[in-house]
Amino acid sequence: DSGVTQTPKHLITATGQRVTLRCSPRSGDLSVYWYQQSLDQGLQFLIQYYNGEERAKGNILERFSAQQFPDLHSELNLSSLELGDSALYFCASSLGGTSASYNEQFFGPGTRLTVL
Amino acid sequence: GIQVEQSPPDLILQEGANSTLRCNFSDSVNNLQWFHQNPWGQLINLFYIPSGTKQNGRLSATTVATERYSLLYISSSQTTDSGVYFCAVRGYNFNKFYFGSGTKLNVKP
Repeated sequence: DSGVTQTPKHLITATGQRVTLRCSPRSGDLSVYWYQQSLDQGLQFLIQYYNGEERAKGNILERFSAQQFPDLHSELNLSSLELGDSALYFCASSLGGTSASYNEQFFGPGTRLTVL
Repeated sequence: GIQVEQSPPDLILQEGANSTLRCNFSDSVNNLQWFHQNPWGQLINLFYIPSGTKQNGRLSATTVATERYSLLYISSSQTTDSGVYFCAVRGYNFNKFYFGSGTKLNVKP
């Protein structure tokens, strides 16, 4: 158990819908990362937040947005869902900060999204 | 961005055998991690190793940062070692993480 929690574990929805994935980091971690793992694209970095502010941006679609709240939990919002958005979405956390060693990431169990 | 290449893509071993997995990366990195994704999809930290050598039980890893590669050694493999092994890096010039495509390991009893 990494200490990172994600809800829900599974989500089935229809095209065009909007969903919200939730992540709680390990106690003491300030950074949260979101990743998408699909069969054809592998593991793709989406976005990173550090202490409430966006720190880095990856291959995140405009239909997707995220935020980190004052209690440090994070939410990833996916809207206008398409069949191709079906994937495993992971959240990871790290201590954060300027030292590279503070960026060792620990992954949550993931949310499996199925878009029908 | 940073290109991350892992080899071999697939590996089949008999229980008890040893193996070496390789990760090459195209730019200087300040963060390198090895993960094991088990058959249930869980990503498990193995090593945080931007440089040097570390050991943890039957697993060890070495990163030669100047030559831009890292190696993961698995000794006396067990069926529970099956799954996909990923290397992930972040570079000094790119504030994003990049994953390799993984090595899929199947350890047969």
